[in-house]
Amino acid sequence: DQQVKQNSPSLSVQEGRISILNCDYTNSMFDYFLWYKKYPAEGPTFLISISSIKDKNEDGRFTVFLNKSAKHLSLHIVPSQPGDSAVYFCAARDDKIIFGKGTRLHILP
Amino acid sequence: NAGVMQNPRHLVRRRGQEARLRCSPMKGHSHVYWYRQLPEEGLKFMVYLQKENIIDESGMPKERFSAEFPKEGPSILRIQQVVRGDSAAYFCASSPWRETEEQYFGPGTRLTVT
Repeated sequence: DQQVKQNSPSLSVQEGRISILNCDYTNSMFDYFLWYKKYPAEGPTFLISISSIKDKNEDGRFTVFLNKSAKHLSLHIVPSQPGDSAVYFCAARDDKIIFGKGTRLHILP
Repeated sequence: NAGVMQNPRHLVRRRGQEARLRCSPMKGHSHVYWYRQLPEEGLKFMVYLQKENIIDESGMPKERFSAEFPKEGPSILRIQQVVRGDSAAYFCASSPWRETEEQYFGPGTRLTVT
């Protein structure tokens, strides 16, 4: 039973445009949501997080939006750059961190 | 300030052998987490340890898998009598305290069972 779902296995976006990665969750007890970025042959690196009491958090080109009523969050990257090509994992925390399956983002030149 | 270290990076074992995966957390971090990533899957939590204590092992298979984090030295994930289904990438993460929302990951150990 997947508590954190990333329904798009991959996404291609033109360089300079906005990338939007989506994530749905089922457990209303999650208190924190996180996005991690992973390059091949490396471990995931923390990107940005949001508390369940907020609906938006911004850090440079990265913004995470949380819609608690819909149990949905999204990561916006604007403008998208070639170095953003990676796998992005959505994750949520109750007493442990639970990861989605990831979305592979391709930034096209 | 070295990050989380894992070794070996690649490990090949034949069925029935033992696999030992090591993880040295970041300096000052006393909380260690192990995750497994199967092909085309996300990271699945296995176990959470503090020094000399297993705090949460709810994600560990009941048999053949064990983990420790001794007072001195790295954390060890041990898999006995490996089977093909154990082939995966195993990631270790560390954090400075329990309630942090951010964990720092190592590069992973890719285990291949032949």
